[in-house]
Amino acid sequence: QAVVTQEPSLTVSPGGTVTLTCGSSTGPVTVSHYAYWFQQKPGQAPRTLIFDTTNIHSWAPARFSGSLLGGKAALTLSGAQPEDEADYYCLLYYSGARVFGGGTRLTVV
Amino acid sequence: EVQLEQSGAEVKKPGESLKISCKTSGYSFSDYWIGWVRQVPGKGLEWMGLIYPDDSDTRYSPSFRGQVIVSADKSLTTAYLQWTSLKASDTAIYYCMRPDSSGVWGQGTRVSVSA
Repeated sequence: QAVVTQEPSLTVSPGGTVTLTCGSSTGPVTVSHYAYWFQQKPGQAPRTLIFDTTNIHSWAPARFSGSLLGGKAALTLSGAQPEDEADYYCLLYYSGARVFGGGTRLTVV
Repeated sequence: EVQLEQSGAEVKKPGESLKISCKTSGYSFSDYWIGWVRQVPGKGLEWMGLIYPDDSDTRYSPSFRGQVIVSADKSLTTAYLQWTSLKASDTAIYYCMRPDSSGVWGQGTRVSVSA
């Protein structure tokens, strides 16, 4: 089974920009991996931010965006807010199978 | 509005069986995959498997194949996750979700297994 890697933790200043990445042990991440990004705050269920690599969900703030960057899927947060402090997970599709990354804990300080 | 409503928390002993549910509404149940996700306390999300209710096509992650059973009842528009013999290591929160553009998650079912 493929291994999906994310940065364990990142820090961003309020109003700043940060990019979280999602890599695959099988090679470059492409649109065929249909990358998803989820946000999870303590004690809450995850919620979907991005689907199919670049599509932002209707309830996600426009400061989030998804892309492919350097062979990885990427989630960019532009203009970080204190309420963006959370765990972020990516999910990649592999011909019927799906694998989560280990998650990135984002601190806004 | 697409909604996934999960069954309540469970407290079980090792060796017992369990079936938790994910009741759906607001869309055509048969036409969309539903996935199950495990989260051990303090840990990350783990993909368990998913089912296509129309024909019950089921795919399991290698780590969970043979450990759980995913099923669906079209008449009840409900998906299920089942164990025949629970272990303490099954203690976790289990989420159902739609792995598509709807992006909807259930609220989670907490399962505690202890002697």
